[in-house]
Amino acid sequence: GENVEQHPSTLSVQEGDSAVIKCTYSDSASNYFPWYKQELGKRPQLIIDIRSNVGEKKDQRIAVTLNKTAKHFSLHITETQPEDSAVYFCAASMGPGGYQKVTFGTGTKLQVIP
Amino acid sequence: GAVVSQHPSWVICKSGTSVKIECRSLDFQATTMFWYRQFPKQSLMLMATSNEGSKATYEQGVEKDKFLINHASLTLSTLTVTSAHPEDSSFYICSARGASTYEQYFGPGTRLTVT
Repeated sequence: GENVEQHPSTLSVQEGDSAVIKCTYSDSASNYFPWYKQELGKRPQLIIDIRSNVGEKKDQRIAVTLNKTAKHFSLHITETQPEDSAVYFCAASMGPGGYQKVTFGTGTKLQVIP
Repeated sequence: GAVVSQHPSWVICKSGTSVKIECRSLDFQATTMFWYRQFPKQSLMLMATSNEGSKATYEQGVEKDKFLINHASLTLSTLTVTSAHPEDSSFYICSARGASTYEQYFGPGTRLTVT
């Protein structure tokens, strides 16, 4: 089955700096890669996603890059703010729909220091 | 956007009793629902996947007789933790996905404490 590795497990940055979280996946059939932000005791919230036919996607301060050949994808947050502090999970799945399950990475706890 | 509700949001039960958790898709038809368990400071671990009207598919190591999943309609799935023990205490989260979509939508989670 799919295996997703995520690094680093914790990340501290100064407010205004950039943060980068990296993930690798094992199953070349995976074609959908979402990123979630989870605050303590809350549900994961989708912040950005990318499909395998795209190499990069950007939404304001957040961007995701995908390298299918190397089977890795990264989350980039620029101009970090204290409210970006949370746990971030990458994930991989095959889609759309159906039984295609989503495999999560182990998570990165991001702390933005004011 | 799509909304998924989960009930109850928290529950405390005694060891040996059973607890039922409901997951509802409020504004879309969820052909597939997923149940996850999350221990403190850990990632989401998939427990089972269910399609409406079919038996759930359980992940390796998850006891299907202990964690009963029913997906009786396109808007409702239930997880029943039978004969609960303290080690079953965890945060249980459901998610739902439509037939032709990539994205899954998460419920708010249920905090289960078994005493």
